[in-house]
Amino acid sequence: GNSVTQMEGPVTLSEEAFLTINCTYTATGYPSLFWYVQYPGEGLQLLLKATKADDKGSNKGFEATYRKETTSFHLEKGSVQVSDSAVYFCALSPFSGGYQKVTFGTGTKLQVIP
Amino acid sequence: EAQVTQNPRYLITVTGKKLTVTCSQNMNHEYMSWYRQDPGLGLRQIYYSMNVEVTDKGDVPEGYKVSRKEKRNFPLILESPSPNQTSLYFCASSPRDRSSYEQYFGPGTRLTVT
Repeated sequence: GNSVTQMEGPVTLSEEAFLTINCTYTATGYPSLFWYVQYPGEGLQLLLKATKADDKGSNKGFEATYRKETTSFHLEKGSVQVSDSAVYFCALSPFSGGYQKVTFGTGTKLQVIP
Repeated sequence: EAQVTQNPRYLITVTGKKLTVTCSQNMNHEYMSWYRQDPGLGLRQIYYSMNVEVTDKGDVPEGYKVSRKEKRNFPLILESPSPNQTSLYFCASSPRDRSSYEQYFGPGTRLTVT
């Protein structure tokens, strides 16, 4: 079956530091890949996505590139802010007709300190 | 405002007392899902629905029921709650758009079963 593996947290960084959160996946075919973010006390919201190999998703200074050869979708940001403190989930959706059965990683908590 | 709403947001109940968590979306989405979020396990899908009267089991359906009588509503029913169903529950919806598969999440319902 499909699976998503994320680096364990929590990750603690100083403001303006470089962020990488690793995500690798196992799936057949060409799934769509996502990063969702969950701020404290809220539901998840889509941060960025990529629907085919070599696509780069980007939003709010975050980026992730769909790497088919390494089955990875690592999240990066060049300079984090305190407001980026949240839990980040990597997810995949298989490319199969009908409903997309989304598989989520376990989440990585990011804490950014001033 | 496009949104997914859940009620109640917080619920404390006792073992065996039937309860329903409501979910409603105003975006005319075909697909809806229920997830539970537990520490260290990420999000796990409970049930999903492809359209009215079409539902199917996710990864952890035991102890839950759902129904989809209207497109906008997707209630989660716990007929006889048990303490191991204490969790944070999220409803999500998404359009039938194979280029996207983005999910829109509700704010969550924190359930405690004593």
